[in-house]
Amino acid sequence: DSGVTQTPKHLITATGQRVTLRCSPRSGDLSVYWYQQSLDQGLQFLIQYYNGEERAKGNILERFSAQQFPDLHSELNLSSLELGDSALYFCASSVAGTPDTQYFGPGTRLTVL
Amino acid sequence: GQQVMQIPQYQHVQEGEDFTTYCNSSTTLSNIQWYKQRPGGHPVFLIQLVKSGEVKKQKRLTFQFGEAKKNSSLHITATQTTDVGTYFCAGRGAGGTSYGKLTFGQGTILTVHP
Repeated sequence: DSGVTQTPKHLITATGQRVTLRCSPRSGDLSVYWYQQSLDQGLQFLIQYYNGEERAKGNILERFSAQQFPDLHSELNLSSLELGDSALYFCASSVAGTPDTQYFGPGTRLTVL
Repeated sequence: GQQVMQIPQYQHVQEGEDFTTYCNSSTTLSNIQWYKQRPGGHPVFLIQLVKSGEVKKQKRLTFQFGEAKKNSSLHITATQTTDVGTYFCAGRGAGGTSYGKLTFGQGTILTVHP
């Protein structure tokens, strides 16, 4: 158990819908990272937040957005969902000073029908 | 953009055999991380390499970072069934890439036959 929690574990929804994925980092970690893992694309970095501020962006679609709240939990919002958005979404966190050493949560499996 | 290639994609071994996976970056890296993901699980951090030519060992696992900081390898000696999973390398580009912005290789899926 990495100490990073993610909810829900599974999510099934329809095309065109909007969903919110939630992540709580390890106690004391200020950075949160979101990744998408699909069979054909591997693990893709989406976005990073540090203490509430956006720090780095990857290939995140405009239909996707994220935020980090004052209590450091983060939410990833996915809208106008398409079949191709079906994937595992992981959140990770890191200790200040070692941002490249990331600890992953259990993930949310999103299925878009 | 930065690309990280990992080979082989799959490796099937008999228990007790050795295993090696290789990681090559299109650009120089600041560091490289290795992760293991068990089937149905999440990536678990194994190690970080930072220095050119660095070699680190964890029991039966040996990690190397190339002299040019563009390639890395993970070698497992005498595999066990508990080694089953996907091994990923993840690097951060040198020259101003944001801290924490990692590029992952596609992973090597290791199967160990008892």
